Amino acid sequence: SQQGEEDPQALSIQEGENATMNCSYKTSINNLQWYRQNSGRGLVHLILIRSNEREKHSGRLRVTLDTSKKSSSLLITASRAADTASYFCATTGANNLFFGTGTRLTVIP
Amino acid sequence: KAGVTQTPRYLIKTRGQQVTLSCSPISGHRSVSWYQQTPGQGLQFLFEYFSETQRNKGNFPGRFSGRQFSNSRSEMNVSTLELGDSALYLCASSFLPSYNEQFFGPGTRLTVL
Repeated sequence: SQQGEEDPQALSIQEGENATMNCSYKTSINNLQWYRQNSGRGLVHLILIRSNEREKHSGRLRVTLDTSKKSSSLLITASRAADTASYFCATTGANNLFFGTGTRLTVIP
Repeated sequence: KAGVTQTPRYLIKTRGQQVTLSCSPISGHRSVSWYQQTPGQGLQFLFEYFSETQRNKGNFPGRFSGRQFSNSRSEMNVSTLELGDSALYLCASSFLPSYNEQFFGPGTRLTVL
């Protein structure tokens, strides 16, 4: 399966701290995306990094990609209570998006 | 621009029944994908439609089917419901089936009793 796996499964931090989530996948990819899901709702696209890119920034988000290790990380700086959500990585192969298992982030005010 | 809408938002059915879920993509988007989300299996791809044609299908039994209309609206149908079909069903749309970014609807929460 191409499905990614996020690590850790759950993360709890204080507001203002940084949160780092990792994603590992199994096969070669075209790009890797990160999505956020608030409890029981639809997913929101956060950022996309292409296979030939190593790092990308968007606001408080920083994503890295290491294709040799088949892994990616998502860093959220200066976290806020509103960042509490589940975060999923999604890899793009030939035909569709394959979602990881997700990291549940809780930001304590 | 209106987002992806899904109806109904909540649904309760009993085993053996069938159900039809609807998805209206963002205006101008021609690709619609469906996903099933459960606590045990996570997010799993069901199928994808583009210009009324099914382009890809995930590893689900034939009880799961779908279609897309000329206005890009899509429906998915599940026949002979099983308890394990209880899940959040998510629809996502994009302009092209490039999988660069998908816009998700709020989902339909299906409970099978």
